Amino acid sequence: DAMVIQNPRYQVTQFGKPVTLSCSQTLNHNVMYWYQQKSSQAPKLLFHYYDKDFNNEADTPDNFQSRRPNTSFCFLDIRSPGLGDAAMYLCATSSLTGADSPLHFGNGTRLTVT
Amino acid sequence: KQEVTQIPAALSVPEGENLVLNCSFTDSAIYNLQWFRQDPGKGLTSLLLIQSSQREQTSGRLNASLDKSSGRSTLYIAASQPGDSATYLCAVTLSGNTPLVFGKGTRLSVIA
Repeated sequence: DAMVIQNPRYQVTQFGKPVTLSCSQTLNHNVMYWYQQKSSQAPKLLFHYYDKDFNNEADTPDNFQSRRPNTSFCFLDIRSPGLGDAAMYLCATSSLTGADSPLHFGNGTRLTVT
Repeated sequence: KQEVTQIPAALSVPEGENLVLNCSFTDSAIYNLQWFRQDPGKGLTSLLLIQSSQREQTSGRLNASLDKSSGRSTLYIAASQPGDSATYLCAVTLSGNTPLVFGKGTRLSVIA
């Protein structure tokens, strides 16, 4: 089945130690998103790509960066994780075909910072 | 800035009840509205998408309505089941090139 796959499901890192989360999709969607979701909170958009066009949300910390080497893959890099960065990180995709374009989410990566 | 509010934050109902979840948004000029389901520790699953020109969408026991002028949407779940227990999130977008803005969700528990 076509889907959005995130690896790993659970990631533990130390304070200040760089970490990379990955996302791949078999839907051939143009748009990919990274969201951060903390407990009982709404998902918060960090970045999104329209094809190779990168869009950074104004309040996304500089500590977070993203790469999209091709249509299928997207990475989230956290350069120096702090305790406040512990959260669920969700990758999503959508097509650029107008209003009828639901988001497809992966199962997320739960990041713990020790 | 678009804001999305969902009330109540949590809801517990006995199995078999019909229920309504509410979503409101501050900017009525939306492009579309989506309802999602999120199980604990998992990603989001899209349930229904309503385009700005539509009034409602149905899928099985789910019916979502949209009233743009009042900035409201409801998700109606008929004959609730324990398997419906999850968090339900509402999200809107202002254009085809604008990412979704989410509410915090309503955590639903259906008791057998």
